[in-house]
Amino acid sequence: AQSVAQPEDQVNVAEGNPLTVKCTYSVSGNPYLFWYVQYPNRGLQFLLKYITGDNLVKGSYGFEAEFNKSQTSFHLKKPSALVSDSALYFCAVRGGPTDSWGKLQFGAGTQVVVTP
Amino acid sequence: EAQVTQNPRYLITVTGKKLTVTCSQNMNHEYMSWYRQDPGLGLRQIYYSMNVEVTDKGDVPEGYKVSRKEKRNFPLILESPSPNQTSLYFCASSQGVGSPLHFGNGTRLTVT
Repeated sequence: AQSVAQPEDQVNVAEGNPLTVKCTYSVSGNPYLFWYVQYPNRGLQFLLKYITGDNLVKGSYGFEAEFNKSQTSFHLKKPSALVSDSALYFCAVRGGPTDSWGKLQFGAGTQVVVTP
Repeated sequence: EAQVTQNPRYLITVTGKKLTVTCSQNMNHEYMSWYRQDPGLGLRQIYYSMNVEVTDKGDVPEGYKVSRKEKRNFPLILESPSPNQTSLYFCASSQGVGSPLHFGNGTRLTVT
């Protein structure tokens, strides 16, 4: 069975500083990994994904994520955070061929607070 | 505009009164799914559908039903709602397993 963990409930960062949101996963086979963001009173929006290829993935709004197979991690990063990045971030994983293709597991979410 | 439309946005009901939350997408997506969001628990998958007439249980299917008679629609049915089903519900769709999900704006359900 697949699972995903976001070890931090909240991340606080000053505007202009680097932002990192952590995610670790457990799946059988090769994972499909995703990051989504939820702004207040809104649905979730897709940021980026990793399926195969380069371990460093670039996505929307200046975000990027690094896939690390040995550490089973997929941390989200942004070199310089903005106040407007304050939101709830979710990591999600879909397992490989031995898991059901339709099941997508989300982490509990990490609240990012960027202060001016 | 490509979108996933859920209705209603807000719903307050009483225990045991059957309700349906509708979900429709206009992107011709094959895959659709329902999630509930609860504080500290993230999003948990209720049911998903890989295509018309094909539905499968997610992690928390108890107390819910779905149907996929048409490609665009994927309603969520609570035949006898209970207070523990008070939650924020999201419908989502995607073209395939490697494609990102498009989410609706959510339905906030309160069962008293």
